Amino acid sequence: QVQLQESGPGLVKPSETLSLTCAVSGGSITSYYWNWIRQAPGKGLEWIGDIYNSGSTNYNPSLKSRVTISVDTSKNHFSLNLNSVTAADTAVYYCARRVPGYCGGANCPHFDYWGQGILVTVSS
Amino acid sequence: EIVLTQSPATLSLSPGERATLSCRASQSVVSTYLAWYQQKPGQAPRLLIYGASSRPTGIPDRFSGSASGTDFTLTISRLEPEDFAVYYCQQYGNSPIFGGGTKVEIK
Repeated sequence: QVQLQESGPGLVKPSETLSLTCAVSGGSITSYYWNWIRQAPGKGLEWIGDIYNSGSTNYNPSLKSRVTISVDTSKNHFSLNLNSVTAADTAVYYCARRVPGYCGGANCPHFDYWGQGILVTVSS
Repeated sequence: EIVLTQSPATLSLSPGERATLSCRASQSVVSTYLAWYQQKPGQAPRLLIYGASSRPTGIPDRFSGSASGTDFTLTISRLEPEDFAVYYCQQYGNSPIFGGGTKVEIK
């Protein structure tokens, strides 16, 4: 059973960098795409970006200028850095695994495993 | 940019009733790239449906998904007490996106 666990500071000051790590257990991080998704209080889900073990990344265009996702295959974890944060970045941050899936011969990608989430508050 | 519009925003039903949730894409999408997630308060989303109509192992068969063009539907045939939650549709693309969610609440 794959498990994901987010860790990092729960409080970040405005203009600073939010840094989180997602530890993956029960499976290797060298396969599939590993994602960060966030949810502002009382709001919906927003995809931040993903990374493959090769280091190839994709980012949400709305956050691309401030986001870096990296992977450490030796530790089986991946990380999120979001710089120049404001109160609008206050959210629960989830890490999740995306698999390609196969449905009737077609790809059907989806997020199958999620971490429990970590609340990060941006405040001075 | 594709937008997923979920309706209704809130669905008030009683246990045992049938729930029909809609997700409409603003433009043509790959139907097999559509998934549904259930989220309960304080919990992470849980995968319910992928590929528009496939259920992961462990998801009860009262949950079903269907697609017709840009319209996607999640149906819960008979609501159980544990099904009252928020449901999100999600489309995978260059930048995965989620719908705004439908809250299924107890009437």
